[in-house]
Amino acid sequence: QVQLQESGPGLVKPSETLSLTCTVSDGSISSYYWSWIRQSPGKGLEWIGYIYFSGSTKYNPSLESRVTISVDTSKNQFSLKLTSVTAADTAVYYCARGVGGYRFEYWGQGTLVTVSS
Amino acid sequence: DIVMTQSPLSLPVTPGEPASISCRSSQTLLHINGYNYLDWYLQKPGQSPHLLIYLGSTRASGVPDRFSGSGSGTDFTLNISRVEAEDVGVYYCMQGHQTPRTFGQGTKVEIK
Repeated sequence: QVQLQESGPGLVKPSETLSLTCTVSDGSISSYYWSWIRQSPGKGLEWIGYIYFSGSTKYNPSLESRVTISVDTSKNQFSLKLTSVTAADTAVYYCARGVGGYRFEYWGQGTLVTVSS
Repeated sequence: DIVMTQSPLSLPVTPGEPASISCRSSQTLLHINGYNYLDWYLQKPGQSPHLLIYLGSTRASGVPDRFSGSGSGTDFTLNISRVEAEDVGVYYCMQGHQTPRTFGQGTKVEIK
């Protein structure tokens, strides 16, 4: 059973960079699309972007100027960087494995990131 | 962006009774290959979402057969034939037809 686990700081200051890593266990990161999705408190789900194991990426245009998703196949990890954060970026961040960039079959448990000084 | 609109947003249900959730997209989700790129997810309280249905009507692995998806183009429906207490939570539709992927607002299902 594939497992995904997010890790990273739970508190980020405004204007700084949010950095999260997703570690994939019991399954290779090769093949599949690896996504980041977030959920603001009490709100719905927002797709941030994905990376294919080869390194090609697609981002949500609403965040594209601030987002970078990268993959490290040697560590079976992929990462999210979101620059110049504001309180509006406070959310639970999920990593997920998708088939074809949709069909998210496996999700991490999610990690709450709060943007506050 | 493709806008996904769900209804109702709140759905009180009686165990053993059927339930139905509608999802409409602002653009067709029917690909030239004949597949509709529409997923359904359930987020139970305190948990991550999990996949119920993909390609409009294909149940994900381990999903009970009381869940079924139907529809094509811009109109889709998730049906639960007989609701069980464990089915409570928020149901989301999501389009996988184009990026950015977009989700519906969610439908909160709770027991009456």
